[in-house]
Amino acid sequence: GQSLEQPSEVTAVEGAIVQINCTYQTSGFYGLSWYQQHDGGAPTFLSYNALDGLEETGRFSSFLSRSDSYGYLLLQELQMKDSASYFCAVTPNTGFQKLVFGTGTRLLVSP
Amino acid sequence: DGGITQSPKYLFRKEGQNVTLSCEQNLNHDAMYWYRQDPGQGLRLIYYSQIVNDFQKGDIAEGYSVSREKKESFPLTVTSAQKNPTAFYLCASRAGAQDGYGYTFGSGTRLTVV
Repeated sequence: GQSLEQPSEVTAVEGAIVQINCTYQTSGFYGLSWYQQHDGGAPTFLSYNALDGLEETGRFSSFLSRSDSYGYLLLQELQMKDSASYFCAVTPNTGFQKLVFGTGTRLLVSP
Repeated sequence: DGGITQSPKYLFRKEGQNVTLSCEQNLNHDAMYWYRQDPGQGLRLIYYSQIVNDFQKGDIAEGYSVSREKKESFPLTVTSAQKNPTAFYLCASRAGAQDGYGYTFGSGTRLTVV
């Protein structure tokens, strides 16, 4: 089976840098994805790591270490609009490809 | 613009009733999914479909049913057998078979049992 754990809430101030961690227990997966969801809205795709290392997309970066069963999303130059929930997700490499989501982290950005 | 349309946005169901949630996409995506989200929790997979006329149960399929008669449409029926249906329901699709293609989600349907 698959299990992905995230901190329930993280707080930060505008302009700061914040890291949202994702630790997982899974028998095998293709890659680690990150999604952002504002309250009452649809999740939107942020990033994907197929290989170990850092992937950078503008202010957001995502990291994966398969040997440590760990990944993180790094948000730089925080803005108020970044206040949202963030989910990590994996696609198990058995059977039909489908996303399994983590528990989610609520990020609160204050002025 | 291409996307996924879910309707209605809000739905109220009486005890014992079946209700159907609509999901339509004009992205020409083969794979479609239904997820359920409870307050403060992650998304859990209900059903998924890779191609027309084929669908598979996800992790929490009991009390739900789906159909995939057209590529564009993947409706979800919440039956009276679902004991705790109040939740936020999200439909999604994906462009390609390879991992790394991000899922596109609809704006969701919030179902409440009254």
